[in-house]
Amino acid sequence: DAGITQSPRYKITETGRQVTLMCHQTWSHSYMFWYRQDLGHGLRLIYYSAAADITDKGEVSDGYVVSRSKTENFPLTLESATRSQTSVYFCASWHTGELFFGEGSRLTVL
Amino acid sequence: EDQVTQSPEALRLQEGESSSLNCSYTVSGLRGLFWYRQDPGKGPEFLFTLYSAGEEKEKERLKATLTKKESFLHITAPKPEDSATYLCAVQETSGSRLTFGEGTQLTVNP
Repeated sequence: DAGITQSPRYKITETGRQVTLMCHQTWSHSYMFWYRQDLGHGLRLIYYSAAADITDKGEVSDGYVVSRSKTENFPLTLESATRSQTSVYFCASWHTGELFFGEGSRLTVL
Repeated sequence: EDQVTQSPEALRLQEGESSSLNCSYTVSGLRGLFWYRQDPGKGPEFLFTLYSAGEEKEKERLKATLTKKESFLHITAPKPEDSATYLCAVQETSGSRLTFGEGTQLTVNP
């Protein structure tokens, strides 16, 4: 099916571990985004990318790393997970005035 | 810095009871205002984009309107399947990213 695929959908990890959330789009949209969603904060931008090999920080980028070697993939890495990074993470792509979201990855850091 | 405030935080309606959700925003220059619907455990789903004050868009029981400072999402004769969280977001003219409000959780009782 066409769209945004995120994996894993659910992940439990421990403080200090490295975690990578994967995001794949079946289109070739240039812009891709990572948001986190928390109660009381709504959706907050972590990182975004305008094209392969072009990335930029959002408002809550500390503790996160992204890469984009291919247009269709935009993985998000938590280098050393902390409890405050427990959240639901959404990947999205932008095309012709619309932001398309994946189903989300629910991450719990113990 | 862009700001988006949605009210109320939660709204409970009886089936058929029309109402409106509010989205107040502050941006240096508005490229677009977006409405999304989000069901529990799912990613946000695009509803509308409004570009200029006075613009209106409709989809089934939903109508979105825009002024220079706020947008309204009017729900006419809602049904239980309209129950969801409705998110508002703005995109400023100088950027590509969207800034989201915290959302309004709508519950429509049969």
